Amino acid sequence: QVQLVESGGGLVKPGGSLRLSCAASGFTFSDYYMSWIRQAPGKGLEWVSYISSSGSTIYYADSVKGRFTISRDNAKNSLYLQMNSLRAEDTAVYYCARTDGYSMTFDYWGQGTLVTVSS
Amino acid sequence: QSALTQPASVSGSPGQSITISCTGTSSDVGGYNYVSWYQQHPGKAPKLMIYEVSNRPSGVPDRFSGSKSGNTASLTISGLQAEDEADYYCSSYTSSSTRVVFGGGTKLTVL
Repeated sequence: QVQLVESGGGLVKPGGSLRLSCAASGFTFSDYYMSWIRQAPGKGLEWVSYISSSGSTIYYADSVKGRFTISRDNAKNSLYLQMNSLRAEDTAVYYCARTDGYSMTFDYWGQGTLVTVSS
Repeated sequence: QSALTQPASVSGSPGQSITISCTGTSSDVGGYNYVSWYQQHPGKAPKLMIYEVSNRPSGVPDRFSGSKSGNTASLTISGLQAEDEADYYCSSYTSSSTRVVFGGGTKLTVL
């Protein structure tokens, strides 16, 4: 069965950095686009970034462009999100999700990892 | 402010039907048949319920159905059950650089 497990969240000061990981299993990871989606406490879902199956195509939300970097290692079945220059408004649960690259459907989600940006 | 507009809340009694709307523009909902709906219970990850406007993934009860007219998509849940109480989010492919937009979410209360 498809499983996505995020890790790497935690408490970080404004301006700091954090690297999130997502370990995938139960499907051929290298065949699928992947995305990061976040949810601030008590708020709705916000798409953050996606990466194509090969890693050649990448998109970012305007709110994170220039600060966050998405990457993947198909040999390790892993997805990453490097987050730099973190702000209080980046505080959220971050989900990784398997993505259909044409319809932008997120068919499987991880359980999420909480990132808190606070001094 | 979310790119897609959903009602903040809807409610219904067990056995009844409810419909949640999701209004966008011709650049997203109206322009493509790529609307999805997600269910999220408190403290849990979202779960895909409907994709490409009206398709149900395997395992999703046929009480859940989706449709679209113009710039508005709809999720209908018939035969409401207590376990349907959750937040529901729509999303759509968009021609803008963001590629996908979400609605603000709708809280469904089963009375």
